[in-house]
Amino acid sequence: KAGVTQTPRYLIKTRGQQVTLSCSPISGHRSVSWYQQTPGQGLQFLFEYFSETQRNKGNFPGRFSGRQFSNSRSEMNVSTLELGDSALYLCASSLSPGTGTGELFFGEGSRLTVL
Amino acid sequence: GESVGLHLPTLSVQEGDNSIINCAYSNSASDYFIWYKQESGKGPQFIIDIRSNMDKRQGQRVTVLLNKTVKHLSLQIAATQPGDSAVYFCAERVKAAGNKLTFGGGTRVLVKP
Repeated sequence: KAGVTQTPRYLIKTRGQQVTLSCSPISGHRSVSWYQQTPGQGLQFLFEYFSETQRNKGNFPGRFSGRQFSNSRSEMNVSTLELGDSALYLCASSLSPGTGTGELFFGEGSRLTVL
Repeated sequence: GESVGLHLPTLSVQEGDNSIINCAYSNSASDYFIWYKQESGKGPQFIIDIRSNMDKRQGQRVTVLLNKTVKHLSLQIAATQPGDSAVYFCAERVKAAGNKLTFGGGTRVLVKP
């Protein structure tokens, strides 16, 4: 069974640009969450999607957005990139939004560097 | 965990010894707690979880202890192996918050051969 797949794994952008990151959850998983990991702030929740609907949102500016498709794949977008957006962006999938054990399976992340 | 940033607290352990990693959580409304292991270049990997109606749970070589009175969580690793070298994170979740986890700052475990 394939794990959570994130693309691209590495990317470099410049300030002001925008970026789209993609996440394919484990087959059968319908909930996808996104987290940002930086040395300064650690792991922080961005948002969660279930059945194409955003269920929860973290404390990030509106430049950060996401969506989920009918096949449960998810994308997140960051517009008008700032240096501080450099981070490892992690996607996690689960069967459902935390009603059971809530076990999240993480992908290996997309490492974004903003120059 | 209390610490964030580049200066992760580090636990240096001799191979074969037991490791204890501590975590203070913040929200008394949290009902579910998880420990994750993150190796360099990889995403966090689930180790063990515990619900707030329990105070101890055991897995293979790992035990999680929960003290709700002082909002403290610990992970015990028995007979630590070189493959246990990683950063360990605790995470908490408030009921009805879906999969929104609040992570601690992490503890780096270094296993000395």
